[in-house]
Amino acid sequence: DTGVSQDPRHKITKRGQNVTFRCDPISEHNRLYWYRQTLGQGPEFLTYFQNEAQLEKSRLLSDRFSAERPKGSFSTLEIQRTEQGDSAMYLCASSLPPSGSTDTQYFGPGTRLTVL
Amino acid sequence: TQLLEQSPQFLSIQEGENLTVYCNSSSVFSSLQWYRQEPGEGPVLLVTVVTGGEVKKLKRLTFQFGDARKDSSLHITAAQPGDTGLYLCAGEAGVHGGSQGNLIFGKGTKLSVKP
Repeated sequence: DTGVSQDPRHKITKRGQNVTFRCDPISEHNRLYWYRQTLGQGPEFLTYFQNEAQLEKSRLLSDRFSAERPKGSFSTLEIQRTEQGDSAMYLCASSLPPSGSTDTQYFGPGTRLTVL
Repeated sequence: TQLLEQSPQFLSIQEGENLTVYCNSSSVFSSLQWYRQEPGEGPVLLVTVVTGGEVKKLKRLTFQFGDARKDSSLHITAAQPGDTGLYLCAGEAGVHGGSQGNLIFGKGTKLSVKP
């Protein structure tokens, strides 16, 4: 257990429905990342926050995806009008990058999304 | 575009054998990280290598970062069934030598160690 928790662990939904995932990072970590992992692939970066500010968004993050981190603690990732291609494992990671050194990211267990 | 290529993609060996997994890129990375992932779980960090030529050991696992910081290898000695999993290498994305923070992952090497 890395200390990063995600909820739910599994979600099955029908195409066209909206879904929301939650990530609780390690409490003192100021950076929070979202990644998506499909079968047979490594995780792909979606977006990240430093405190409550969303600093970077991948072009993978279409306008149906939105992420928030309102108080700089937990974060939510919402997918609107889900499509079958959204089926994947959604991973959250958090870090507290030391000044001038490598940023070590700790991953949660992921949320497995299946869109029928 | 920064890419990391891992080889082999799949590896099935008998308990006690040695193996090496490779992670290669045409880009320079400020650091490379190795993760192990079990089915249905998130990646767990094994090691971070930062300096070109660096070698780090973690029990039976030896990690090396290439001199030019473009490649890395993971060597496992006397593999055990408990080593079974997906091994991922990842580098910090960067622009002009700086770090953007997010990680770029290889596709992983799926290792199966049979008793």
